[in-house]
Amino acid sequence: AQTVTQSQPEMSVQEAETVTLSCTYDTSESDYYLFWYKQPPSRQMILVIRQEAYKQQNATENRFSVNFQKAAKSFSLKISDSQLGDAAMYFCAYRRFGAGNMLTFGGGTRLMVKP
Amino acid sequence: DTGVSQDPRHKITKRGQNVTFRCDPISEHNRLYWYRQTLGQGPEFLTYFQNEAQLEKSRLLSDRFSAERPKGSFSTLEIQRTEQGDSAMYLCASSLASTNEKLFFGSGTQLSVL
Repeated sequence: AQTVTQSQPEMSVQEAETVTLSCTYDTSESDYYLFWYKQPPSRQMILVIRQEAYKQQNATENRFSVNFQKAAKSFSLKISDSQLGDAAMYFCAYRRFGAGNMLTFGGGTRLMVKP
Repeated sequence: DTGVSQDPRHKITKRGQNVTFRCDPISEHNRLYWYRQTLGQGPEFLTYFQNEAQLEKSRLLSDRFSAERPKGSFSTLEIQRTEQGDSAMYLCASSLASTNEKLFFGSGTQLSVL
């Protein structure tokens, strides 16, 4: 079974600074997808960024980028120029190729942004 | 496009009662998912539908739980004989089956079993 681990229950960052959230996963599959989701107090999960395992290039979305290390099974999220609106729970998630959207989530990291 | 809608937003019930939640997906989406999220944890997959067919069920979905999507549009999740351990947020999500499938979540139904 696949597992996803987020070892940082809480992180804080100063506004305009950069922060990195960690995620490791375990799988025996070679084709899969990895995701970072944001869950603000409104509770709605919002997709931040997605990475296909077969792509060597790290995904980027504006201020968000990932460091995908397939051999190490590591998938960290870097948030640059942090904004107050980035404060939320962040979840790392995995799904194997061809599995619909049956995601396995990590336990989450609460990000606080200080003004 | 009004997004994924879930009703009710909050539900308080007594142990042993039955509850039913409703999810209305984005209209053109053919896949619908249910997840459960307990306090301080990430969501856990429960079940999903493609059109009206229930294609996968997690072992988390005990026989007290039943989900339906009768016309391939909205879905209901019923919990019979609720237990305190059922207290959680129940999240619905929908997507359009494709190679670049993207999941859209609703805001969830928070269930409290007293």
